[in-house]
Amino acid sequence: GAVVSQHPSWVICKSGTSVKIECRSLDFQATTMFWYRQFPKQSLMLMATSNEGSKATYEQGVEKDKFLINHASLTLSTLTVTSAHPEDSSFYICSADYRGFTDEQYFGPGTRLTVT
Amino acid sequence: RKEVEQDPGPFNVPEGATVAFNCTYSNSASQSFFWYRQDCRKEPKLLMSVYSSGNEDGRFTAQLNRASQYISLLIRDSKLSDSATYLCVVTHSSASKIIFGSGTRLSIRP
Repeated sequence: GAVVSQHPSWVICKSGTSVKIECRSLDFQATTMFWYRQFPKQSLMLMATSNEGSKATYEQGVEKDKFLINHASLTLSTLTVTSAHPEDSSFYICSADYRGFTDEQYFGPGTRLTVT
Repeated sequence: RKEVEQDPGPFNVPEGATVAFNCTYSNSASQSFFWYRQDCRKEPKLLMSVYSSGNEDGRFTAQLNRASQYISLLIRDSKLSDSATYLCVVTHSSASKIIFGSGTRLSIRP
């Protein structure tokens, strides 16, 4: 089946620093990838839709200048959390749109970010 | 009103029981429907797609009712390993919009 990887799986950083998270589709090309954030005991919240070769589409309330998304190739999207603060600590998950015969989303294993 | 609504639970049922979840959606243009399962601190994994004709996979049965705009998931002969959060997912047209329900927590007790 389709495989999506994320790197790193967990990261601890100091407040004010920036963190880059990579999302890769390993065995298929993904023109669209999605970034989610999940706080403890809450559901996934879509942050943005990442489109290869064009600007990302951000959901309402998500600061595009704080969460920089780059989708430079059909297999890689990156999310950079700039000037991270403790309230940015969360579980960040990406998914890729696998266009076989269905609209199934394949999820990366997630990145747990802790900002101290 | 949320676009996709689920009963958050938790549902706490004994092993072997049958349990059913419902999920309602508000946008009649919704095209594709899925149930995902998410274990604690893990990413969601696709459990099954949901079709108008209904579909069954072992102990799991999913149904879609377009007229009433809800989907359901039935788990028969529940196992301890079924304990997880079950997420209802709805997509629109080209799947450029994906909406997650808030999830229903299921706990199976011995």
